[in-house]
Amino acid sequence: GQNIDQPTEMTATEGAIVQINCTYQTSGFNGLFWYQQHAGEAPTFLSYNVLDGLEEKGRFSSFLSRSKGYSYLLLKELQMKDSASYLCAVMDSNYQLIWGAGTKLIIKP
Amino acid sequence: IAGITQAPTSQILAAGRRMTLRCTQDMRHNAMYWYRQDLGLGLRLIHYSNTAGTTGKGEVPDGYSVSRANTDDFPLTLASAVPSQTSVYFCASSDSMNTEAFFGQGTRLTVV
Repeated sequence: GQNIDQPTEMTATEGAIVQINCTYQTSGFNGLFWYQQHAGEAPTFLSYNVLDGLEEKGRFSSFLSRSKGYSYLLLKELQMKDSASYLCAVMDSNYQLIWGAGTKLIIKP
Repeated sequence: IAGITQAPTSQILAAGRRMTLRCTQDMRHNAMYWYRQDLGLGLRLIHYSNTAGTTGKGEVPDGYSVSRANTDDFPLTLASAVPSQTSVYFCASSDSMNTEAFFGQGTRLTVV
């Protein structure tokens, strides 16, 4: 079966760095997405990786290793507004998105 | 620019009733999707449409139907609601199947 694993919850301190991991087992691979979802709101797109390596976008970076079925989202200089759930999703060989359950990130002052 | 709009934002529905959730996008995106989101689970795809006039079944299609008469609209119908369909429903669209998706604000549905 297809599976996306990510931690249920993480806590970090304002101004610090946090890494949210995602491992996957899917039928084929056509890219990995990270979305941010604040409580009670819709998911919003953060990043897309289809080749191995690091993609940097401001305070957020996303890494992919296809051979290991592994990705991480790195958030730097954490702000209180970064408190949200972070969703990892993999596009399989049929171009269907398989979603992880999300990682709830709690930022403490 | 509205982006993607869902209606209603919330609804309490008696079991056995028929209900249509509306979704409209003004971005001229080809692909549209309906997901449900339940606590502790990832988003699960109910139905999708790659382009106007075509639809496909996702992971959890039973009890739901969709239509795509034009590019902008993608309604989701529950023919006879059951309590297990209590969930938050998100409509999304993307320019193509492998590009970022834009989500509506969600519909919180409670079936009692």
